[in-house]
Amino acid sequence: NAGVMQNPRHLVRRRGQEARLRCSPMKGHSHVYWYRQLPEEGLKFMVYLQKENIIDESGMPKERFSAEFPKEGPSILRIQQVVRGDSAAYFCASSTGGETAYEQYFGPGTRLTVT
Amino acid sequence: AQSVAQPEDQVNVAEGNPLTVKCTYSVSGNPYLFWYVQYPNRGLQFLLKYITGDNLVKGSYGFEAEFNKSQTSFHLKKPSALVSDSALYFCAVRDDNTDKLIFGTGTRLQVFP
Repeated sequence: NAGVMQNPRHLVRRRGQEARLRCSPMKGHSHVYWYRQLPEEGLKFMVYLQKENIIDESGMPKERFSAEFPKEGPSILRIQQVVRGDSAAYFCASSTGGETAYEQYFGPGTRLTVT
Repeated sequence: AQSVAQPEDQVNVAEGNPLTVKCTYSVSGNPYLFWYVQYPNRGLQFLLKYITGDNLVKGSYGFEAEFNKSQTSFHLKKPSALVSDSALYFCAVRDDNTDKLIFGTGTRLQVFP
């Protein structure tokens, strides 16, 4: 049973370009969470999605950031017109969801560097 | 609003000695508490959780944590530290209203041979 998969593992973008980060949850998991970790900081929640639905996007910046989790395929975190401050590690986690699904399982992360 | 605090940026301990990594929490309802470990350039690995039941929770790699309601603490412990335990440790609480995790700032554990 493969764990949470993220790609690419490393992504370099110039200022103004777009970044697309992909996350495939664990088999059987229908809930996906995105977190951002800035250098030397803890993880901050960004967005929580179920298939075709955004449940909580309270941690997403108001502009340039969007996320989706389509019926088929991986979840995508999209950052338009990247700036140097977007450089961070972006982690995806998944769970089965529901009242008794407490653990979230994390992927290895995508390290975004904006030059 | 829920929050967790990890008061120590770094904890140093000699191999073979017991270790404690501290965490305190603030919640409005029932606390759902977690510990995760992060090795360099890796994702987070789940160690253990407290949902309900026994206050002493046992987890992976010999770690355990003690839930203390009166002190609102959930300290991570291990009786005998290994050099390979050196990593970044995060305490987290599950948000009451959504499933998101709210993380502490992390504590770097350094175990010296």
